[in-house]
Amino acid sequence: NAGVTQTPKFQVLKTGQSMTLQCAQDMNHEYMSWYRQDPGMGLRLIHYSVGAGITDQGEVPNGYNVSRSTTEDFPLRLLSAAPSQTSVYFCATTRTLSSGANVLTFGAGSRLTVL
Amino acid sequence: GQQVMQIPQYQHVQEGEDFTTYCNSSTTLSNIQWYKQRPGGHPVFLIQLVKSGEVKKQKRLTFQFGEAKKNSSLHITATQTTDVGTYFCSNAGGTSYGKLTFGQGTILTVHP
Repeated sequence: NAGVTQTPKFQVLKTGQSMTLQCAQDMNHEYMSWYRQDPGMGLRLIHYSVGAGITDQGEVPNGYNVSRSTTEDFPLRLLSAAPSQTSVYFCATTRTLSSGANVLTFGAGSRLTVL
Repeated sequence: GQQVMQIPQYQHVQEGEDFTTYCNSSTTLSNIQWYKQRPGGHPVFLIQLVKSGEVKKQKRLTFQFGEAKKNSSLHITATQTTDVGTYFCSNAGGTSYGKLTFGQGTILTVHP
């Protein structure tokens, strides 16, 4: 049971390049999300999905695309990388505890640098 | 979720000292969750508070939710070097899907 797997762990891009950050989960969780983490700004929601075929925008969606063709996979695409997208990206799934709390399980993160 | 502000941004303590981080909102929160992120790691869920005035403890960690449900705190008694990391508060608003709004985080450094 791997949980939430993100690839790659590190990536360097040049401005204007495109790439896809992969996220896969083996917990059969319906809800998945992408966050970016920047110093002093906490974690900000980029996009989320409540199930296969359904996605929606979060707080900072510009410059990113997502799709959810299966329950397991939720890739994040950078269309034309910009230096402002230099960040650490976390994919997460939501699990419901016995208490009813909906909590996030994060992947290990993908550190992206855009030159 | 509603916006939450977290202070301080940084805290340096000597091992054995206490530590507190605060989370504040201008509006009433439905719940508060706390996460810990070790250096180089990913955030890990610690606890959720839901009730007004709720206090929960996990060993040396004490979590409180304010009476007005507009603020929360995390207090660590007698810090250890294993406590280093960033502590985040977050709010899921009224949704059931874990769409969280995070505070800015408090980075804790513990000097041995």
